[in-house]
Amino acid sequence: SQTIHQWPATLVQPVGSPLSLECTVEGTSNPNLYWYRQAAGRGLQLLFYSVGIGQISSEVPQNLSASRPQDRQFILSSKKLLLSDSGFYLCAWSEPQGRTGELFFGEGSRLTVL
Amino acid sequence: QQPVQSPQAVILREGEDAVINCSSSKALYSVHWYRQKHGEAPVFLMILLKGGEQKGHDKISASFNEKKQQSSLYLTASQLSYSGTYFCGTEIGENNDMRFGAGTRLTVKP
Repeated sequence: SQTIHQWPATLVQPVGSPLSLECTVEGTSNPNLYWYRQAAGRGLQLLFYSVGIGQISSEVPQNLSASRPQDRQFILSSKKLLLSDSGFYLCAWSEPQGRTGELFFGEGSRLTVL
Repeated sequence: QQPVQSPQAVILREGEDAVINCSSSKALYSVHWYRQKHGEAPVFLMILLKGGEQKGHDKISASFNEKKQQSSLYLTASQLSYSGTYFCGTEIGENNDMRFGAGTRLTVKP
């Protein structure tokens, strides 16, 4: 069966520090991968999505970046965090393109920038 | 390209019904519905692909209008476990770029 792992679950970082959130999927090949951010009490904002290795589509051009070094690995990064980067970050995957299906979410990473 | 969801919040008594709407300015490839409990990840409820489609399980159902620009989620005879935030997620094309509405916070009280 397919599983998705996301870490760390919680982190507190000072403004200006770097960030790295990692997400891996097991049990499937060539999944679509997504990073969403949810500010407190708000909706899900699509940050990045990827349909294959090295293929990253960005929705938010700010100080965040994403990479997909392996088929089932998706990394969210920042060189210098801002206060506004605080939130609940969710990684998700779905079946490859052409087979519309549900999104499977990771457990989330709660980031607090101080 | 983000869908518009309404209402923002609903408070119900057990056994009452609710309708949550999701609309787009463009025809949609698909509509997904998810429910999120506080502090948890969203959980998939259902997906609609065809104009005029209706789908449901138990007492939660959804419809997709003929023009594929509007979907509604129906919760009947609500239970305490229905409480949470409901999101519609939409795809405009086959690009798999799922975007979500702002969410509807549903509270069911005894």
